[in-house]
Amino acid sequence: AQTVTQSQPEMSVQEAETVTLSCTYDTSESDYYLFWYKQPPSRQMILVIRQEAYKQQNATENRFSVNFQKAAKSFSLKISDSQLGDAAMYFCALKTSYDKVIFGPGTSLSVIP
Amino acid sequence: DTAVSQTPKYLVTQMGNDKSIKCEQNLGHDTMYWYKQDSKKFLKIMFSYNNKELIINETVPNRFSPKSPDKAHLNLHINSLELGDSAVYFCASSPSEVNTEAFFGQGTRLTVV
Repeated sequence: AQTVTQSQPEMSVQEAETVTLSCTYDTSESDYYLFWYKQPPSRQMILVIRQEAYKQQNATENRFSVNFQKAAKSFSLKISDSQLGDAAMYFCALKTSYDKVIFGPGTSLSVIP
Repeated sequence: DTAVSQTPKYLVTQMGNDKSIKCEQNLGHDTMYWYKQDSKKFLKIMFSYNNKELIINETVPNRFSPKSPDKAHLNLHINSLELGDSAVYFCASSPSEVNTEAFFGQGTRLTVV
C-alpha cells in the first residue's frame, strides 16, 4: 500500500524568507510521480510542482523547488522569498501507475508580514 | 474557461434527503475522480472512472453512487444524507490512469443539518 506522511501540521515563515516543508512516502513501485498541491482559503487545489521518480534532477518552478531523495523516500518543498499569497495548506501527493493520487495530511503554512 | 467545474459550490440540506453534485471537465481527460475532504482537511479518494468505467471504488457507503454519462462528466448522487457526510467534495480529472497529476474543481461544501 502507498502512504504519504507530512510530519509538520503547521509551519510559519517571515515574508521574504525561505521555508521547507517535509514529506515522506512509501511505495513498492519503481515508477511514480510526486506532487505538491497548494490549497488557499478559497479551497481551490492548485498544483505547485511535480517530480517524476525516474528523473534525478530536482524539479523547480520559479520560487518553488523540491529536494527529491528517492532512496530515502523523501520529497520536501522549498519556498524561497515567501510571499503573503503563499499562505495556504500544502499537500504532498503520490501517484503510481493505474492508481489514485494519494495525499498526505497537509501542512498549514502561515506567512508573517 | 473553467477546466473542471462542479455545481453547486455550496449545498445545505437536511438529514435523510437525497442530493446530487455535478462535475464536468473540458480538458479532454480520460480519468475522473471524486475526493472527500473532511473537517481536518484530509483528502481521501472515493471513486475513479476511466472512459466512463469505474476503476476505483474505495470503501464508501453504498448511499454514494457515481454516474458517468460520458467521459467529460462524473456526477455524485448521495442518498439518505447523514450528518457525517458533511465535508467538501472535490471532483478531479487527469489525462489518463497512468502517472499524471489531477486537476481539481473548486469543491462543493456539503452541510447536512
